[in-house]
Amino acid sequence: DAKTTQPPSMDCAEGRAANLPCNHSTISGNEYVYWYRQIHSQGPQYIIHGLKNNETNEMASLIITEDRKSSTLILPHATLRDTAVYYCIVRVGKTSYDKVIFGPGTSLSVIP
Amino acid sequence: DAGVIQSPRHEVTEMGQEVTLRCKPISGHDYLFWYRQTMMRGLELLIYFNNNVPIDDSGMPEDRFSAKMPNASFSTLKIQPSEPRDSAVYFCASSPIGGTGAYEQYFGPGTRLTVT
Repeated sequence: DAKTTQPPSMDCAEGRAANLPCNHSTISGNEYVYWYRQIHSQGPQYIIHGLKNNETNEMASLIITEDRKSSTLILPHATLRDTAVYYCIVRVGKTSYDKVIFGPGTSLSVIP
Repeated sequence: DAGVIQSPRHEVTEMGQEVTLRCKPISGHDYLFWYRQTMMRGLELLIYFNNNVPIDDSGMPEDRFSAKMPNASFSTLKIQPSEPRDSAVYFCASSPIGGTGAYEQYFGPGTRLTVT
């Protein structure tokens, strides 16, 4: 099963872009990359997911390298409310009954 | 949609007592997940259901833990007897399944359990 590696913490100035990296060098061809975040004292929140193409939604952009061994979540204009732990996840399992395993994630601090 | 609903939000109980946590998933979602989160171990998957059937309970720590899903709109996680090391935040999540099998999970607000 693919594993992910993320830096334990990052800082970002308010209003600037936050770029959160994730390595998943053992990802399989049919495995998706998911990003979630958890704001203090709340449940995790789904952000975005992708397979091999770059994706964008109202919350963020996901850039996946061509070899799919790493990805970057981009918050284009970080606000104080984006301070949270961000989890990069790769689906595990080989059937439709897949489950999502959360690692320690990256603690992002947005600084005024 | 109200999202995933969990109750109670906070539970304080004494060691040895039975604890029941409740979850109402988002209507129409096929999957339901129970997680536990502590500072030491992070977010751990305990068990998940598909169409009310338990699929994988390998994360359930021991026989004191049990989970049921009697219908598509309700699930319980029971701890009997409870121990101080069970103190944690318990999250319930539900998920639809996309056309390609990709899906996202929607989490409830969690139940903070304290066992004294």
